[in-house]
Amino acid sequence: KAGVTQTPRYLIKTRGQQVTLSCSPISGHRSVSWYQQTPGQGLQFLFEYFSETQRNKGNFPGRFSGRQFSNSRSEMNVSTLELGDSALYLCASRKGQGDDTQYFGPGTRLTVL
Amino acid sequence: QKEVEQNSGPLSVPEGAIASLNCTYSDRGSQSFFWYRQYSGKSPELIMFIYSNGDKEDGRFTAQLNKASQYVSLLIRDSQPSDSATYLCAVIIQGAQKLVFGQGTRLTINP
Repeated sequence: KAGVTQTPRYLIKTRGQQVTLSCSPISGHRSVSWYQQTPGQGLQFLFEYFSETQRNKGNFPGRFSGRQFSNSRSEMNVSTLELGDSALYLCASRKGQGDDTQYFGPGTRLTVL
Repeated sequence: QKEVEQNSGPLSVPEGAIASLNCTYSDRGSQSFFWYRQYSGKSPELIMFIYSNGDKEDGRFTAQLNKASQYVSLLIRDSQPSDSATYLCAVIIQGAQKLVFGQGTRLTINP
């Protein structure tokens, strides 16, 4: 069974631009969560989607948004990029329905110049 | 108080010895606990999960959970240089229904 995939793997943007990251979960998984990882803050939860609905949201500004499609694929958008948004963005999927185990994709490394 | 706390290390262990990694959590209602391994530049990889008090063994890895003390640990027996990585403890926070990670412990196995 294929794992979680994320595209693109690397991205370089400048301040003020916006970016969209994509995540395809493991087949049969209906929940997708997004995390931001930086050396200083560690792994921080952004939001979780289940069956196209946002179930939970972390403490990030409204510039960070996401959505999930009917095939469970998810996108994350960051608008008006700031230097501090440079990070590894990780997507994780789980089956849902009582199964809490999350499996991570390879991540997207975003650099904001 | 942080929701999930780990000693950031670095923890240095000789090859062949037992590495012991510890984690405490603040939410007494937490029911699900996970250990992930993350190599430098890579994404976290699930090693083990544990839901019940006591020990759970999988190969060279043993997870231990003590809900009364709000403590979960990971033991790695016969440590190998390939075990050198950052180990992340993660806990489902019941009230918020989200997975919260500790800062991770950097482990180095010395040949």
